[in-house]
Amino acid sequence: AQSVSQHNHHVILSEAASLELGCNYSYGGTVNLFWYVQYPGQHLQLLLKYFSGDPLVKGIKGFEAEFIKSKFSFNLRKPSVQWSDTAEYFCAVSRYGGSQGNLIFGKGTKLSVKP
Amino acid sequence: DTEVTQTPKHLVMGMTNKKSLKCEQHMGHRAMYWYKQKAKKPPELMFVYSYEKLSINESVPSRFSPECPNSSLLNLHLHALQPEDSALYLCASSHLDGRAYEGYTFGSGTRLTVV
Repeated sequence: AQSVSQHNHHVILSEAASLELGCNYSYGGTVNLFWYVQYPGQHLQLLLKYFSGDPLVKGIKGFEAEFIKSKFSFNLRKPSVQWSDTAEYFCAVSRYGGSQGNLIFGKGTKLSVKP
Repeated sequence: DTEVTQTPKHLVMGMTNKKSLKCEQHMGHRAMYWYKQKAKKPPELMFVYSYEKLSINESVPSRFSPECPNSSLLNLHLHALQPEDSALYLCASSHLDGRAYEGYTFGSGTRLTVV
């Protein structure tokens, strides 16, 4: 069965620090990969996605992620975090081919940015 | 219109009540989803509708009854819920088939409290 692992439960950073959140998935086939963000009290928003092509994808708000197929990883990065980046971050995977209902979420990483 | 609209935003109901959650989108998405999210947990899939037909039921108790009256609307009928059903209920939608890789659009959710 597919699974998604996010290594960090809670990350605490100071403003301007660099961020990297780990995500690994287990599925042998072709996958689509997503990072979603959930700000306190708000709904899930898509940060970025990968489905093919350049393994380094850029998303909104200065976030980027790199797909490393050999490591089954899709880590999220940001060079310099801001207090407003405080949120819960979810990595998600779905199998290529568009089969519905198979968006699998990781457990999430809570990011707290200290001003 | 690039939103998924959910109503109500908050709902408090007794264990003998009957209530409904509503979800609406006008993006032409033909897949719609209900997710349940408990505090500090990732969203968990409950139901999937594709082309207005129920395609996935993740072994959800019958006290939750989904309905998809048309391609833009998705309802979740609630009856005889338990306190442990208190959670954030999220609706999402997406394209199917060749465009499913574009990701899901989530609504803001309905915060349900069962007393």
